[in-house]
Amino acid sequence: AQTVTQSQPEMSVQEAETVTLSCTYDTSENNYYLFWYKQPPSRQMILVIRQEAYKQQNATENRFSVNFQKAAKSFSLKISDSQLGDTAMYFCALSYGNKLVFGAGTILRVKS
Amino acid sequence: DTGVSQNPRHKITKRGQNVTFRCDPISEHNRLYWYRQTLGQGPEFLTYFQNEAQLEKSRLLSDRFSAERPKGSFSTLEIQRTEQGDSAMYLCASRDDQDIGTGELFFGEGSRLTVL
Repeated sequence: AQTVTQSQPEMSVQEAETVTLSCTYDTSENNYYLFWYKQPPSRQMILVIRQEAYKQQNATENRFSVNFQKAAKSFSLKISDSQLGDTAMYFCALSYGNKLVFGAGTILRVKS
Repeated sequence: DTGVSQNPRHKITKRGQNVTFRCDPISEHNRLYWYRQTLGQGPEFLTYFQNEAQLEKSRLLSDRFSAERPKGSFSTLEIQRTEQGDSAMYLCASRDDQDIGTGELFFGEGSRLTVL
């Protein structure tokens, strides 16, 4: 079975600092995608960053980057220069067939 | 393109009543998904459509739940004889087959159900 585990229910960070959110997963597939989605309060989920499992290079999108460790089945998200607008619930997700499997989420609060 | 649209945004109902949610996906997207999200949890897959065909249903989708996408455009999710345990956010998402390799889903803002 495909599972995604986020072990940090809540995190906080000071504005302009860096924070890392953790995610581990389990899958029997060799080719898959991993995602981080952001869900701001009362707003829709949007994709933050995506990683293809066959690519060794870690994905980067502006202030967001991942540390993908395939052998360890670990997929962490690093947010640099945190901004107040980064306050949201962050979900790690794994592609499984034609759908996504999500972790329980991490609430990130950016403090001024 | 206004993205994925869901209605109503919030529904309060009494236990035992039926409710229906509607989802309008992004117009060119042929795949449509329903997820359920309870407080403090991640979205859980319920079902998905490719065009008008319902291709997969989760075991979470009891016989009180039914989803349709009659013309391959909008979809409805009906819950009959609602129970308090049905209280949740119901999320709709869509994507195009051209995106299937990337796996990205585009989500609506959700329909929150409260069963009293």
